[in-house]
Amino acid sequence: GQQLNQSPQSMFIQEGEDVSMNCTSSSIFNTWLWYKQDPGEGPVLLIALYKAGELTSNGRLTAQFGITRKDSFLNISASIPSDVGIYFCAGQRSGGSNYKLTFGKGTLLTVNP
Amino acid sequence: GAVVSQHPSWVICKSGTSVKIECRSLDFQATTMFWYRQFPKQSLMLMATSNEGSKATYEQGVEKDKFLINHASLTLSTLTVTSAHPEDSSFYICSAPKGGRDWNEQFFGPGTRLTVL
Repeated sequence: GQQLNQSPQSMFIQEGEDVSMNCTSSSIFNTWLWYKQDPGEGPVLLIALYKAGELTSNGRLTAQFGITRKDSFLNISASIPSDVGIYFCAGQRSGGSNYKLTFGKGTLLTVNP
Repeated sequence: GAVVSQHPSWVICKSGTSVKIECRSLDFQATTMFWYRQFPKQSLMLMATSNEGSKATYEQGVEKDKFLINHASLTLSTLTVTSAHPEDSSFYICSAPKGGRDWNEQFFGPGTRLTVL
């Protein structure tokens, strides 16, 4: 199936640094979601974006829904060791009963204390 | 958030046997649930959409006779991997949208690790 282009694939940063990752698509999505997955667990929802141009924060996390509806980014400020994990973006074309998610390939984040 | 549980969290079975995985929405009702498969170091791939009271909708390339889905109630969907083989070993995860304004926010279960010997 289709996947979103998510970058970077992996990041190695020092504790306290800021992090930025993004997703792009060749087609439009009506909703963008960002998830974090720890090893051996299911993804946990971080931020949901519903409107083009929307900028939403959740603690140290900030995400934006691109104006073109074809992209989104996630920023993490002042990273801490527990931020380690895989971050996935997901796009959704809502309408009727079709609420399927299309996932990016993920960004593996490693934070060095 | 909303809570979705899965059972079992891990299972090891012999080749040729069938394995049933349960997905439950604990604090909300879900007329639709989704089943994903995730191989190591890869993203989640949607397998099928589980619909309460009707047949599941399978993604292209997913064998419906091998991966049986039953959504018998508003809080429970089951995935049965029939005649499992080693190549079916994977991490299976379900999700459910909560509904209302949060319809687009899907909540995932903790996953089930299947190992077929």
